[in-house]
Amino acid sequence: GEDVEQSLFLSVREGDSSVINCTYTDSSSTYLYWYKQEPGAGLQLLTYIFSNMDMKQDQRLTVLLNKKDKHLSLRIADTQTGDSAIYFCAESLNDYKLSFGAGTTVTVRA
Amino acid sequence: GAGVSQSPSNKVTEKGKDVELRCDPISGHTALYWYRQSLGQGLEFLIYFQGNSAPDKSGLPSDRFSAERTGGSVSTLTIQRTQQEDSAVYLCASSEVAAGNQPQHFGDGTRLSIL
Repeated sequence: GEDVEQSLFLSVREGDSSVINCTYTDSSSTYLYWYKQEPGAGLQLLTYIFSNMDMKQDQRLTVLLNKKDKHLSLRIADTQTGDSAIYFCAESLNDYKLSFGAGTTVTVRA
Repeated sequence: GAGVSQSPSNKVTEKGKDVELRCDPISGHTALYWYRQSLGQGLEFLIYFQGNSAPDKSGLPSDRFSAERTGGSVSTLTIQRTQQEDSAVYLCASSEVAAGNQPQHFGDGTRLSIL
């Protein structure tokens, strides 16, 4: 995970937007992913983006990719209490190996 | 089953014992992956299977760790002579094939505690 960096914590008020940032190092990564992990559970795929795209939107989720700066972000609109979880950014090193960040713990406060 | 199934969900064992962790991938998924998640860390790649063969075992931490997959389906990860540093959550994932546009789907993991 040392090749992918994320901030460790984010606190957001319910109803506001959350933005989780990630930087990666492998410029040849073709796909980048966001996963969500709730307590005691495995990783749930939220969304992924191909490296030739700048943006991808899926309902409340918006992914922005700046390939030049190797920066990826996930925006969650209208954040709800059910969005409280750990969010992992991952880059594809090849067809089968992913490199994960350490995860960002998002806490939604009322 | 609908998702990746792992068993046991929790395992507590004494240092020096052997443990076996099981993963049942999504039906029809030919690629299977094992990861380790230590407290407060991201996921560490352990091994990847395509069918029954393991083209990449490079992430296995030591020769105490081994994995097999039979029949192109269920996989077992075995840790021999467990040490306290083996305590972690072991996650299994599967995908239809190994490709970037075929995302990996994860099970809930086995939480392993070595006393």
